Amino acid sequence: DAKTTQPTSMDCAEGRAANLPCNHSTISGNEYVYWYRQIHSQGPQYIIHGLKNNETNEMASLIITEDRKSSTLILPHATLRDTAVYYCIVRPQGAQKLVFGQGTRLTINP
Amino acid sequence: SAVISQKPSRDICQRGTSLTIQCQVDSQVTMMFWYRQQPGQSLTLIATANQGSEATYESGFVIDKFPISRPNLTFSTLTVSNMSPEDSSIYLCSVEAGLVSGNTQYFGPGTRLTVL
Repeated sequence: DAKTTQPTSMDCAEGRAANLPCNHSTISGNEYVYWYRQIHSQGPQYIIHGLKNNETNEMASLIITEDRKSSTLILPHATLRDTAVYYCIVRPQGAQKLVFGQGTRLTINP
Repeated sequence: SAVISQKPSRDICQRGTSLTIQCQVDSQVTMMFWYRQQPGQSLTLIATANQGSEATYESGFVIDKFPISRPNLTFSTLTVSNMSPEDSSIYLCSVEAGLVSGNTQYFGPGTRLTVL
């Protein structure tokens, strides 16, 4: 599976957009980009996933570069409850397991 | 999505004992997974459990230490056997939505285990 690289930590002001980058330069054509987050002491929460088109849902937007070597998760109006560790995961289509890296610890500041 | 519950939510156990963790899903799913999250670390997959077949274990995990049952399409158990303090972790169950492989995975709330 392709490896992902994320910043260890980020800060964002409450009410602002939080943009979380992820590098996956060795991604293959059949590999999806998934984002999960884990709020302290809880199970990971699915956020969004995509293959090559940008995706948006009620939680976030996922922007994937045209060459698919990187992506950005956007939380449009961050709140204090968005403070969590965010994991970017690359997973081949039809694959079963998720391989978690260390993620980005996002802190939303009042 | 799927609603997943785990029991117990937390436990404190003595070394040498065993603990069985239950995972219940509100819908039928083919794939269920068990992960471990050691303190301050990311998640690591222990095994994949399909209904009606033996669980498939990842490198570094063995059936004698982490026996798994999968009696039907909505339930699974993970046992942590002969525990030591190094087994202190959060144990998480996850499922793939629906009956088709390759779908989005959803996670339970986890079981926080402390071994003294």
